Amino acid sequence: QKEVEQDPGPLSVPEGAIVSLNCTYSNSAFQYFMWYRQYSRKGPELLMYTYSSGNKEDGRFTAQVDKSSKYISLFIRDSQPSDSATYLCAMGKGGAGSYQLTFGKGTKLSVIP
Amino acid sequence: DTGVSQDPRHKITKRGQNVTFRCDPISEHNRLYWYRQTLGQGPEFLTYFQNEAQLEKSRLLSDRFSAERPKGSFSTLEIQRTEQGDSAMYLCASSSDRGTGEKLFFGSGTQLSVL
Repeated sequence: QKEVEQDPGPLSVPEGAIVSLNCTYSNSAFQYFMWYRQYSRKGPELLMYTYSSGNKEDGRFTAQVDKSSKYISLFIRDSQPSDSATYLCAMGKGGAGSYQLTFGKGTKLSVIP
Repeated sequence: DTGVSQDPRHKITKRGQNVTFRCDPISEHNRLYWYRQTLGQGPEFLTYFQNEAQLEKSRLLSDRFSAERPKGSFSTLEIQRTEQGDSAMYLCASSSDRGTGEKLFFGSGTQLSVL
């Protein structure tokens, strides 16, 4: 079993829809959680960062972490064609000297005008 | 532009050749990371520098791979005797040890194709 599981999709939604993206993880040592957006042939771009269970909102994006279920989500409201990209969840264990992130495979999202 | 810069953007090489990639991190960031990403997969950690010291290396970093950050600024990643399995996007990221150092900022990557 991989440490981080993410459905690769692809996911196709109409413009204006609410998008829900999810990851599960198996290692309870993960302490902080991120979502990155990656456009084709580009590097990942940090969207959301959370350190604790609960919700964090930034504009049209909401990140949700449930540490008890080892489950994280990213919601995109009023989705736009420009949101079409691959979304990667990432998580880290922290602690002195350990800053590597473990990524999911990414979910490819297409928002259709 | 003060983002992470990587050079070259694309590299095509023949099997057995050596290649070197360069990364210039965000200027105030003292932490630098190399990741590798293959098609349909998320990035995988290769190695991490704090200033000029290489503090973590993944088992993915075979003896053919070497990374340096001689003055704690830019970094190079060299692959010797390239193999077709080395074909991937090589991503560099940087972060600061002030505040939330876990937030990594990535460059656009170097796409390597080994023929």
